[in-house]
Amino acid sequence: KQEVTQIPAALSVPEGENLVLNCSFTDSAIYNLQWFRQDPGKGLTSLLLIQSSQREQTSGRLNASLDKSSGRSTLYIAASQPGDSATYLCAVKDSNSGYALNFGKGTSLLVTP
Amino acid sequence: KAGVTQTPRYLIKTRGQQVTLSCSPISGHRSVSWYQQTPGQGLQFLFEYFSETQRNKGNFPGRFSGRQFSNSRSEMNVSTLELGDSALYLCASSSGTGLNSPLHFGNGTRLTVT
Repeated sequence: KQEVTQIPAALSVPEGENLVLNCSFTDSAIYNLQWFRQDPGKGLTSLLLIQSSQREQTSGRLNASLDKSSGRSTLYIAASQPGDSATYLCAVKDSNSGYALNFGKGTSLLVTP
Repeated sequence: KAGVTQTPRYLIKTRGQQVTLSCSPISGHRSVSWYQQTPGQGLQFLFEYFSETQRNKGNFPGRFSGRQFSNSRSEMNVSTLELGDSALYLCASSSGTGLNSPLHFGNGTRLTVT
């Protein structure tokens, strides 16, 4: 059974810092990995999707990388802003779960002014 | 383009009652998935429907059921509610035609069971 782990569980940084969020998964036979953002009391907003054949994806200040063989992904946020404060979740889709996503428990990020 | 819409946003029910939650996907999306989010377990997959057929099911008891209509709208039902069913229920839609089609989530229905 796929296990997805996110470290750290919580992170607090001053505005302007670059930061890295980590995600690891136990079964490397994945179709894709997706990063989401969740604001308090809200649903999930898709940030980036990396297909199994890709190494990274970029959107604005966000860059996500995927190392399938080692079962790891990182989300890099450049020049963090208070508006980036949210919970970041990674999820993988693999052959055992069909079309379902397996989620990590998330990293709660606080960017202080 | 309108996003995924879930109704109602909040629900308070008593143990033993049943509840129905509704989800309208993004126009043109044929796949609807449901997830349960709790502080302890995180996000867990309930089921997925594609073109009115259940295509995948998570590890939840039979009290949890769902269906999808011809217009792709979906409902999920929970019967004989238990305190542990208190959670944020999230619906997500996708085109469903490829393994790499991204999921788009609604804002969820917050269910409280007392």
